Amino acid sequence: IQMTQSPSSLSASVGDRVTIPCQASQDISTYLNWYQQKPGKAPKLLIYGASNLETGVPSRFGGSGSGTDFTFTISSLQPEDIATYYCQQYDFLPFTFGGGTKVEI
Amino acid sequence: EVQLVESGGGLVQPGGSLRLSCVVSGFTFSDRYMDWVRQVPGKGLEWVGRSRNKANTYTTEYAASVKGRFSISRDDSKNSLYLQMNSLRTEDTAVYYCARSYSGSPGAFDIWGQGTKVTVSS
Repeated sequence: IQMTQSPSSLSASVGDRVTIPCQASQDISTYLNWYQQKPGKAPKLLIYGASNLETGVPSRFGGSGSGTDFTFTISSLQPEDIATYYCQQYDFLPFTFGGGTKVEI
Repeated sequence: EVQLVESGGGLVQPGGSLRLSCVVSGFTFSDRYMDWVRQVPGKGLEWVGRSRNKANTYTTEYAASVKGRFSISRDDSKNSLYLQMNSLRTEDTAVYYCARSYSGSPGAFDIWGQGTKVTVSS
């Protein structure tokens, strides 16, 4: 299954609402996760099952969607949110990731 | 504290072999699916393979790009996961992460190691 994230990068201001789309090449129900990766660090799980916030993750992060179209949202961008965000499907093996969206200030 | 620590990366010639290790702590290792994910520097993430848990008899799955060359095993007595990599190619150059699968959703990776770098070059 191909996971498409576009754009590959975006620029926003502190306090802005940021949305990142992710599209699957076929129906994956809600078997979709979102990760945040900062330079030189391992990815961090933020959202699982399309919309479930991982424990300890700030509530400004959110996810929605089902089937083939998904959206990741940062309701109010903070400086520490500068990172690359990846979607990942886990409905079918092999698990596949989107190409990532780099969020810059 | 839940922790995953990888080791074993390094420089290897094309066609060579390497074994990566991932030592875990802070949770019951045998209960969890464990995966390997790699990342070419500056590029995206690629799932490499998984080891299911004890209840699922530790069966394994692999990405097509590594099937037949890579092998995943685990030693619960040592709380360790392994990735045996044979017939290495230049395109296997990447940072390799071990990752724990979330118990409620065994396709979400909730804990990651720090990664170990593998360079395949002559």
